[in-house]
Amino acid sequence: GESVGLHLPTLSVQEGDNSIINCAYSNSASDYFIWYKQESGKGPQFIIDIRSNMDKRQGQRVTVLLNKTVKHLSLQIAATQPGDSAVYFCAENIGGAQKLVFGQGTRLTINP
Amino acid sequence: GAGVSQSPSNKVTEKGKDVELRCDPISGHTALYWYRQSLGQGLEFLIYFQGNSAPDKSGLPSDRFSAERTGGSVSTLTIQRTQQEDSAVYLCASSFTKNTDTQYFGPGTRLTVL
Repeated sequence: GESVGLHLPTLSVQEGDNSIINCAYSNSASDYFIWYKQESGKGPQFIIDIRSNMDKRQGQRVTVLLNKTVKHLSLQIAATQPGDSAVYFCAENIGGAQKLVFGQGTRLTINP
Repeated sequence: GAGVSQSPSNKVTEKGKDVELRCDPISGHTALYWYRQSLGQGLEFLIYFQGNSAPDKSGLPSDRFSAERTGGSVSTLTIQRTQQEDSAVYLCASSFTKNTDTQYFGPGTRLTVL
């Protein structure tokens, strides 16, 4: 069945370094992907999205890469800052479906 | 308000009691979603409302869970005869139209069933 999972549950990086958070998905019919950031005690916050007809999309300090061949999604955060510490979730939407399927999340910790 | 709001922010109840959780979506958003997030876990889809269409209830875990959306705006998630395993954060999200539009989440309601 469909599933969205993450390779690593935790990731620690030094402040100022770049970080990469990975996500694998299993449903080849997925056509829309989103990354959310969730800080403690708050709801998930939209970061960036990408549709299946693209393989890369850039935002402010963030880049999402989509590799449909291996069903892999990644979020790259450039020059990480303390405020980037949070849990990051990937989510997929399967074409025609009415819900997002979320992964388990990766906790990103920024070390000073 | 500028964002999705939920109330209460915290709810502690005794096993067997009924609870109601409220969500006020962003004004103008026609789609509304409820999710459940257990401690340290991802988000589990519960139910989806889109305009006046019949809701997608496929994620509701049991018949103790129900939700309504009155007037196409405010939604209430009701859990009857609460069980300890219902303890979680219940998140509401809304989007402008259908599911592929960005979903904006509220802060959630933390439910604790004793």
